[in-house]
Amino acid sequence: GENVEQHPSTLSVQEGDSAVIKCTYSDSASNYFPWYKQELGKRPQLIIDIRSNVGEKKDQRIAVTLNKTAKHFSLHITETQPEDSAVYFCAARKYNFNKFYFGSGTKLNVKP
Amino acid sequence: DTEVTQTPKHLVMGMTNKKSLKCEQHMGHRAMYWYKQKAKKPPELMFVYSYEKLSINESVPSRFSPECPNSSLLNLHLHALQPEDSALYLCASSQGQGGDPFYGYTFGSGTRLTVV
Repeated sequence: GENVEQHPSTLSVQEGDSAVIKCTYSDSASNYFPWYKQELGKRPQLIIDIRSNVGEKKDQRIAVTLNKTAKHFSLHITETQPEDSAVYFCAARKYNFNKFYFGSGTKLNVKP
Repeated sequence: DTEVTQTPKHLVMGMTNKKSLKCEQHMGHRAMYWYKQKAKKPPELMFVYSYEKLSINESVPSRFSPECPNSSLLNLHLHALQPEDSALYLCASSQGQGGDPFYGYTFGSGTRLTVV
């Protein structure tokens, strides 16, 4: 099955700095890669996703890049704000398959 | 309506109790999921229903029993749970197979379950 590894497990940045979270996956058949943000005590929420036929996708301060050859994808947050503090999970899924494989999570702390 | 609604939000139950968790969505999604999440861990898949049929059971103990009465509702029946079953139970839904092949989940807010 698929194995998704996520690094780092914790990340502290100063407000205004950039944050990068990286994930690798093992199954070359995976072709959809969402990122979820989970604030303390709340539900995971989809913040951005990328499909395997795209190398990069951006939505305001958030971007995701995908390197299919190396089987890794990354979340980039620019101009971080305290409200970005949360746990971020990456995930991978094969085409039309109802199971997502989650990374272990990254706790991001943005210091004011 | 773009939400997945879970009830109750909190549940405390004894090891001999029987209780049920409920999940509802009205987005026309045809796949529904139960996940279990322990503190500081990613969600762990328990069950998947696709078009109201159980399609994935991740070797979950029989003290957890899922039910999908219709395309909008998903239940999780609990019986004779153990303290280690205490966790956040998340329901999710998605378009499912046959729709957009690149689909993400919409998660409910979860039920915080404590087994005493």
